[in-house]
Amino acid sequence: EAGVAQSPRYKIIEKRQSVAFWCNPISGHATLYWYQQILGQGPKLLIQFQNNGVVDDSQLPKDRFSAERLKGVDSTLKIQPAKLEDSAVYLCASSLDSAVGTRKDFGPGTRLTVT
Amino acid sequence: AQSVTQLGSHVSVSEGALVLLRCNYSSSVPPYLFWYVQYPNQGLQLLLKYTTGATLVKGINGFEAEFKKSETSFHLTKPSAHMSDAAEYFCAVSPNTGGFKTIFGAGTRLFVKA
Repeated sequence: EAGVAQSPRYKIIEKRQSVAFWCNPISGHATLYWYQQILGQGPKLLIQFQNNGVVDDSQLPKDRFSAERLKGVDSTLKIQPAKLEDSAVYLCASSLDSAVGTRKDFGPGTRLTVT
Repeated sequence: AQSVTQLGSHVSVSEGALVLLRCNYSSSVPPYLFWYVQYPNQGLQLLLKYTTGATLVKGINGFEAEFKKSETSFHLTKPSAHMSDAAEYFCAVSPNTGGFKTIFGAGTRLFVKA
């Protein structure tokens, strides 16, 4: 079974530039998550999709971050414009459903450096 | 409100020694508890989880954790450390009533000395 795929793996941009990350979840997984992991901290949920609908985006900085999940499969996360504090690893995860105890499968992450 | 505290951002053990990574949580409702491992440049991998039932939970790679409600703890242990266990470990909590996101601790980096 193929795992969660993310690209790019690394990205360096200057502040005020824009950037986009892509995630391909495990086939058949209805729930998709984007997490932000700042160095020295645990992952923080940015947004959760159930199929192509948003379930929770309460911690997404909506003035600069946006995400979509077209057709309930792949997802993109965009930052525009980027700030220095956005430097982090962005993790995508997927699960069969959104039940609390359901196992999440994580991708390798995209490491973003904003200079 | 939920929170997770992992005691010690870094833990160092010798190969063959006991591994003990500490996790304390707070939750207003009965929790589900998780331990994840993250190897360098990889995503998180679930080690084990507690939902209901037996409070001693066995996971992959010889790890286990015990849910102690009276101590609000879910410490992770392994009897004998192996070099391949060197990684970052995250404790996480979710309320079993659903509707709330999983909260992760800050992580503990485990170093294993030869």
